[in-house]
Amino acid sequence: GAGVSQSPRYKVTKRGQDVALRCDPISGHVSLYWYRQALGQGPEFLTYFNYEAQQDKSGLPNDRFSAERPEGSISTLTIQRTEQRDSAMYRCASSRGSSSNQPQHFGDGTRLSIL
Amino acid sequence: KNEVEQSPQNLTAQEGEFITINCSYSVGISALHWLQQHPGGGIVSLFMLSSGKKKHGRLIATINIQEKHSSLHITASHPRDSAVYICAVIRGSNYKLTFGKGTLLTVNP
Repeated sequence: GAGVSQSPRYKVTKRGQDVALRCDPISGHVSLYWYRQALGQGPEFLTYFNYEAQQDKSGLPNDRFSAERPEGSISTLTIQRTEQRDSAMYRCASSRGSSSNQPQHFGDGTRLSIL
Repeated sequence: KNEVEQSPQNLTAQEGEFITINCSYSVGISALHWLQQHPGGGIVSLFMLSSGKKKHGRLIATINIQEKHSSLHITASHPRDSAVYICAVIRGSNYKLTFGKGTLLTVNP
């Protein structure tokens, strides 16, 4: 498809398990962003890649969260030793570039539920 | 206080009504987005603007940089317009979007 693709759409797992969330950006988009959205709230920034370089990870809540984009295309957000408070919608977005005049295009998100 | 405040939080309208959703922000920005979040969860970018006014179909977005305020208007509203509308800003040359909490719009037939 032509849009940002995220998988899985839904993930339910037990507390303590590791999860990996995948984002496939729009072809040719060099910038990729991860956001987290709690129920009833707007998204919050987690981390940002320009090509394969992770330029900003200031929004990652703690060291259980990590992200990579090894070839500058697909990105994976990994949460280790999940906790119930990690339950949220995780969204990925991509843009042609990182300048403020480039709109970000969002995926449909992965809804993560930790039991 | 959030950097981006939206009002109202919830809005119910009858089909055909003119809708206004407001966004105020407290920081200097270089651009502002209006986004639509569908009931199924997908987010679509409606507008990105840094000054003046933009129009697309029945949707109009305006921004007043001096007053740090933007509005999203929907003319001749329709039940399919029912969604959460989110305002998000970009500061300076930064890439980070700072989001408002969204406005839940319900348009009844």
